[in-house]
Amino acid sequence: AQSVAQPEDQVNVAEGNPLTVKCTYSVSGNPYLFWYVQYPNRGLQFLLKYITGDNLVKGSYGFEAEFNKSQTSFHLKKPSALVSDSALYFCAVRVNRNDYKLSFGAGTTVTVRA
Amino acid sequence: NAGVTQTPKFRVLKTGQSMTLLCAQDMNHEYMYWYRQDPGMGLRLIHYSVGEGTTAKGEVPDGYNVSRLKKQNFLLGLESAAPSQTSVYFCASSPPPDRGHGYTFGSGTRLTVV
Repeated sequence: AQSVAQPEDQVNVAEGNPLTVKCTYSVSGNPYLFWYVQYPNRGLQFLLKYITGDNLVKGSYGFEAEFNKSQTSFHLKKPSALVSDSALYFCAVRVNRNDYKLSFGAGTTVTVRA
Repeated sequence: NAGVTQTPKFRVLKTGQSMTLLCAQDMNHEYMYWYRQDPGMGLRLIHYSVGEGTTAKGEVPDGYNVSRLKKQNFLLGLESAAPSQTSVYFCASSPPPDRGHGYTFGSGTRLTVV
C-alpha cells in the first residue's frame, strides 16, 4: 500500500494567486513528513518538514505546510505564487520514526503563469 | 559546500553494456540511498546502505548492484544494461533517523540505454 499520495498530477495557477499542493499519508502513529522541490534538470531540494509541535510549518522560499492529523494530510501552501515556483514537488513520509527510508509521492507539477 | 556529488551526469549505454555510477558525500552521513525517477512514478528506492560495508535491497533492486567500501562513497552498478533501466538516478544521504532529518540529494545521472 502506498504510504503517501499526491492526488493531483498538475497544478496551474496565475502569478500572485495562492498555491496549494495536496498530500495525504496513510501511515499509523506520528510520522515525519517532508516536502521537496525539483527544478528542471536538478536534484531534489528540501523545502520543509514536520516532526512534532506546531501544525503549521514554515520552510524555504515562502512555502509553508499544514499538518492535519485527523485528515492525514500535509498540504503545501504559498500565499502568493511566483513564476519561479514552477517545478515538480514531492511529498515524502518516513513510515515510522526509527525508519531511515523515505516513501515519496508520485509528484505534482506546478506551473505558475505570468 | 559540495554535499552529495554524482558522476557522471549523463550517459548513453548500449544494451548489455555495464557501468558504475559514483556517489560521494562530504557530510559524514551514515546512511546513503540510490533512487530512480521515472515519469508518473515518483522516486523508487533501488538499494540503500546504513553504514560502511553494508548494503540492502530497496523496492526495485533487480539488475543493479551496490557497494559501500568507504563511508563517503556509494556505488551503483549495472552489469548488463537494459532499455528498462533508462531513467534518472539520484543518490541521497542522511544522518540517523532519530534526528528527524530528511535527505540531501545529488543532482542526478540521466542514463539512456539504447
